[in-house]
Amino acid sequence: AQRVTQPEKLLSVFKGAPVELKCNYSYSGSPELFWYVQYSRQRLQLLLRHISRESIKGFTADLNKGETSFHLKKPFAQEEDSAMYYCALANQGGKLIFGQGTELSVKP
Amino acid sequence: NAGVMQNPRHLVRRRGQEARLRCSPMKGHSHVYWYRQLPEEGLKFMVYLQKENIIDESGMPKERFSAEFPKEGPSILRIQQVVRGDSAAYFCASSSPGQGFFGELFFGEGSRLTVL
Repeated sequence: AQRVTQPEKLLSVFKGAPVELKCNYSYSGSPELFWYVQYSRQRLQLLLRHISRESIKGFTADLNKGETSFHLKKPFAQEEDSAMYYCALANQGGKLIFGQGTELSVKP
Repeated sequence: NAGVMQNPRHLVRRRGQEARLRCSPMKGHSHVYWYRQLPEEGLKFMVYLQKENIIDESGMPKERFSAEFPKEGPSILRIQQVVRGDSAAYFCASSSPGQGFFGELFFGEGSRLTVL
């Protein structure tokens, strides 16, 4: 079964603290993984994809096939990072499967 | 480029009525996806369409729900005989055919359906 699990519904940290949003997946093939973000009153948008191995707004995510994880990390959280974050997996058929989302709240 | 446009943004229906949600993809995009977000839940895939073709409808309820993406005009998600459990936010996304498997999805702002 293809599944994406984000175990934390809400993650609250203070500004400047490290943040890690957890994502685990279940997929029999070679996964393509993404993180999408939805800021308040904005559309859901792509944050980063694992194939690009890029860092966006200070966020990185490493695919760990052994642990079937794709956790999103940032060493120093900023207040503007407060948003809803969704981990997603793309299957060979072009379908994007989302996790339930984690709300990140960064307090001053 | 105005982005993915969905309308109506808010729709109220009584039980038993029909709901039609429309989605105009970004210019140049011919792939459309519909997702549903129930209260307190994540985004659930419903259907993936290309122009005049349904590619994957594995997430569509077997009854009352249908989707189309005609050669001309927007994609339509149609819900017949709505029930209270259909109340949700429905999101449309589009992608470019050239991006293939690694394509970024561009999302609309969603249509919020409330069934009284």
